[in-house]
Amino acid sequence: AQSVTQPDIHITVSEGASLELRCNYSYGATPYLFWYVQSPGQGLQLLLKYFSGDTLVQGIKGFEAEFKRSQSSFNLRKPSVHWSDAAEYFCAVGAGNNDMRFGAGTRLTVKP
Amino acid sequence: ETGVTQSPTHLIKTRGQQVTLRCSSQSGHNTVSWYQQALGQGPQFIFQYYREEENGRGNFPPRFSGLQFPNYSSELNVNALELDDSALYLCASRTGTDPSYNEQFFGPGTRLTVL
Repeated sequence: AQSVTQPDIHITVSEGASLELRCNYSYGATPYLFWYVQSPGQGLQLLLKYFSGDTLVQGIKGFEAEFKRSQSSFNLRKPSVHWSDAAEYFCAVGAGNNDMRFGAGTRLTVKP
Repeated sequence: ETGVTQSPTHLIKTRGQQVTLRCSSQSGHNTVSWYQQALGQGPQFIFQYYREEENGRGNFPPRFSGLQFPNYSSELNVNALELDDSALYLCASRTGTDPSYNEQFFGPGTRLTVL
């Protein structure tokens, strides 16, 4: 069955430092992969998505993600984190039947 | 253009009661999906409505039901509430049925507490 694992529950980085959030998926075919961000009291906002083609995907707010089929990974990166990036981040896979499977999320804290 | 709105923001119910949550989709969107997000977890897909018909359902019991209206707004109904139903309920809307092709936009959610 399709599933997503986010190994890191909570990550703390200093403002200006680089960031990488990990995501591993399980899916039989070519997956449709997504990264969402959720701030307190807000709905989920799509950062980027991968369907096919170039394995390095650019998103909003300076985020990018790289699809690695050999590692079943779709890690999210940002070269320099801003305090406003503190939020919960979710990786998701399109699971057919109009379903999306989300990981449990990674909470990002940004230190001044 | 308004985004996805949900009402109420917060709700407290007791076990065994019934609840109705409401969602207004973004203008031009004909598909609404509902998700349950328990504390500390990612959203779980409940079901999706397209043009007033359910056309996809996750692993939720029949006491979770829904409706979509001609203006594409939607309701989520939960009967016989259980303590484990306490969660944030998210509504998302988009055009078309496949979340892989058309971005879905999420509302801020309704926080349901079951005592």
